[in-house]
Amino acid sequence: EAGVAQSPRYKIIEKRQSVAFWCNPISGHATLYWYQQILGQGPKLLIQFQNNGVVDDSQLPKDRFSAERLKGVDSTLKIQPAKLEDSAVYLCASSPRTSGGPGQETQYFGPGTRLLVL
Amino acid sequence: AQSVTQPDIHITVSEGASLELRCNYSYGATPYLFWYVQSPGQGLQLLLKYFSGDTLVQGIKGFEAEFKRSQSSFNLRKPSVHWSDAAEYFCAVGPYNQGGKLIFGQGTELSVKP
Repeated sequence: EAGVAQSPRYKIIEKRQSVAFWCNPISGHATLYWYQQILGQGPKLLIQFQNNGVVDDSQLPKDRFSAERLKGVDSTLKIQPAKLEDSAVYLCASSPRTSGGPGQETQYFGPGTRLLVL
Repeated sequence: AQSVTQPDIHITVSEGASLELRCNYSYGATPYLFWYVQSPGQGLQLLLKYFSGDTLVQGIKGFEAEFKRSQSSFNLRKPSVHWSDAAEYFCAVGPYNQGGKLIFGQGTELSVKP
């Protein structure tokens, strides 16, 4: 079974430019997550999708970040305009479903996209 | 506030020695607990998870963790460390019934010396 795919793996941009990251979750997984991992810190959830609907985007900086998950499969995360503090690894994860009850579903992570903003 | 604390930023152990990585959590409800490992340039791989039942959980690669509710801890252990275990380890806590959001600790970097 193929894992979570992400592209690009690395990206270097200048501040105020825009950038987009792509994620393809494990086939059949209904829930998709984007995390931001700043150097020296643990990942922090940016946004969670259930199929193509947003479940949680409370920590997404909506003035510059946007995300979509068309058709409930692939997802794109965009930053426009980028700031220096956006330098981080952006991790995509997927899980079969959000149960809403006992039994947290395991999240499977992709390799991440490493972003450097100069 | 919900949080996860990993008190040790960096640990060095000798190959073959035992390992214990500490994790303490603050959570207002029944927690689900996880340990993930991240090798350089890689994503996170699940080592083990605790939902309920036996408080001693076995994972992959010879790791185990023990849930202690009274101490709000979920420490990761391995009896004999291999050089390939050098990586960063993250403890995470998730909600019982509010969806999939995980809260991660800041990580512990493990170095293994020959």
